[in-house]
Amino acid sequence: AQKITQTQPGMFVQEKEAVTLDCTYDTSDQSYGLFWYKQPSSGEMIFLIYQGSYDEQNATEGRYSLNFQKARKSANLVISASQLGDSAMYFCAMRDFGNSGYSTLTFGKGTMLLVSP
Amino acid sequence: GAGVSQSPRYKVAKRGQDVALRCDPISGHVSLFWYQQALGQGPEFLTYFQNEAQLDKSGLPSDRFFAERPEGSVSTLKIQRTQQEDSAVYLCASSLAGGYGANVLTFGAGSRLTVL
Repeated sequence: AQKITQTQPGMFVQEKEAVTLDCTYDTSDQSYGLFWYKQPSSGEMIFLIYQGSYDEQNATEGRYSLNFQKARKSANLVISASQLGDSAMYFCAMRDFGNSGYSTLTFGKGTMLLVSP
Repeated sequence: GAGVSQSPRYKVAKRGQDVALRCDPISGHVSLFWYQQALGQGPEFLTYFQNEAQLDKSGLPSDRFFAERPEGSVSTLKIQRTQQEDSAVYLCASSLAGGYGANVLTFGAGSRLTVL
């Protein structure tokens, strides 16, 4: 069974600083994908970044980068130059590439990020 | 539509009432998922549709929960005889292709159900 662990219930960062949100995962599958979503107070889950297990380079999307360490089974999200609008819940999620033609996302419990001026 | 639309956004029900939650996915999206998000938790899978076929309902917590997508577009999640533990945000998500690989799920804003 897949499991996602986010050990930081809350994180504080000052505007313009970088912050790392931790995520570790557990799976017996060789092929899988890791996702990060942002959930502001409005409730909608917003996709941020994706990393495949066979991707050789760490994924980057603008101010977001994923520090993928396969051997340690960690997929930390790094947000550079934090902005006030980054304040939200952040969820790490995983999907294994099963043979059934689809698979569900398994989510962690999330980390609340607060960015202060 | 431009995004996944869910209605109602907020629903208060008395214990024992039936509720229906609607999801309008992005037009043309084949895959549709329902998730349940309890307060302070991450979303948990309920059920999956590929077009009109419900391929996985393993996450539905009891036989009081029922979902349908009769024409392969709009989906309805129905909860019969609601109980307090059903209080949660119900999220709908869709994707253009099957829900596998790198395909990104687009989520709606959710329906917040409160059972008194």
